[in-house]
Amino acid sequence: AQKVTQAQTEISVVEKEDVTLDCVYETRDTTYYLFWYKQPPSGELVFLIRRNSFDEQNEISGRYSWNFQKSTSSFNFTITASQVVDSAVYFCALSFLSGYALNFGKGTSLLVTP
Amino acid sequence: NAGVMQNPRHLVRRRGQEARLRCSPMKGHSHVYWYRQLPEEGLKFMVYLQKENIIDESGMPKERFSAEFPKEGPSILRIQQVVRGDSAAYFCASSPGNENTEAFFGQGTRLTVV
Repeated sequence: AQKVTQAQTEISVVEKEDVTLDCVYETRDTTYYLFWYKQPPSGELVFLIRRNSFDEQNEISGRYSWNFQKSTSSFNFTITASQVVDSAVYFCALSFLSGYALNFGKGTSLLVTP
Repeated sequence: NAGVMQNPRHLVRRRGQEARLRCSPMKGHSHVYWYRQLPEEGLKFMVYLQKENIIDESGMPKERFSAEFPKEGPSILRIQQVVRGDSAAYFCASSPGNENTEAFFGQGTRLTVV
């Protein structure tokens, strides 16, 4: 069985602060995929990143960075110099096949205040 | 290239009525997935369909819910005799079916049962 835990329910930061969203997963599969999605107040789901289990290289995209550590089964997401537009619910997800039957965490609600 | 299109965006039904949610996948995508997001919860996988075939319906409630993806036209998620507990956001995602790609989500249909 697969499981994703996002222990942080809500986080509030002041603009320009760095913030890290935690994601811990459980799976017996040797091949799997990890994802992060953003759900802004408007409600749509925005794809942020996909990582497969064989690629532990960290990734940086602008102010976003992801730290994948198989040893601790974690796939954490850091926003550097947060902005008000980053306010959203962020979901971490796990799948044994890319795009199929994603197992989502319950999400972390991030509020960035000016 | 239009994204995944879901309609309606908002749907209000009285208890006992039927709800039909539509999803047109991205051009070139032949795989469709439906997810449900209940209030205060993450998204839960419901069903995975290819054209004219249900591949995996392990997440579908056993009664009142059905899904189809006909050869022509959108995928339909049908909920018969809706109850208050069916109130949720229903998301559709599509992929080309290639393992090495992510699924793209639509904007969701928010169903309210009154």
